[in-house]
Amino acid sequence: AQKVTQAQTEISVVEKEDVTLDCVYETRDTTYYLFWYKQPPSGELVFLIRRNSFDEQNEISGRYSWNFQKSTSSFNFTITASQVVDSAVYFCALGDNTGGFKTIFGAGTRLFVKA
Amino acid sequence: EAGVVQSPRYKIIEKKQPVAFWCNPISGHNTLYWYLQNLGQGPELLIRYENEEAVDDSQLPKDRFSAERLKGVDSTLKIQPAELGDSAVYLCASSPGPGEEETQYFGPGTRLLVL
Repeated sequence: AQKVTQAQTEISVVEKEDVTLDCVYETRDTTYYLFWYKQPPSGELVFLIRRNSFDEQNEISGRYSWNFQKSTSSFNFTITASQVVDSAVYFCALGDNTGGFKTIFGAGTRLFVKA
Repeated sequence: EAGVVQSPRYKIIEKKQPVAFWCNPISGHNTLYWYLQNLGQGPELLIRYENEEAVDDSQLPKDRFSAERLKGVDSTLKIQPAELGDSAVYLCASSPGPGEEETQYFGPGTRLLVL
């Protein structure tokens, strides 16, 4: 079965704190893709990153970093030194070809960054 | 490069009325998606087009929902008649190709309220 679980519904941090958003996925495919999107209050989902299942290297982009671990089926997202502008809902998504190509999204984690 | 364009941004209608949403994808993107996003949840696929062909409409409630993408570019999603439970955000996304590896780029969505 294809499934994405974001167990944290809401997280609240104070500016400059580091925060990690968890994502656990399930798939029977050996080839799959993982994504993170940001949805600010304006509503548009903004693409952040895509990883394929064969590349477990962690990635860093500015204050953002991603930790992909196939052994635990997790693709966690860390924001370092959070800022108020990071306040948004963050979605993890899984794309695979189980029963035909599909991408499914987790329920999202709402991040509040307080000044 | 222009992003995915959707209109209207907001729509309020009485139940049993028809409503239509329009989407223009990123130029050159052959794959177009319509998603439904309920409050506090992630997007759920309604229909996926590759060019003008609907290749996955398994989640589209066909008794009241219809969609078209006549020339393989912009698309319209229609609900007739609308029900109270249809109140949600309707997101359109596009990607260069059809595969599970493709990154989807989203429009700002249409927020529908059915009274």
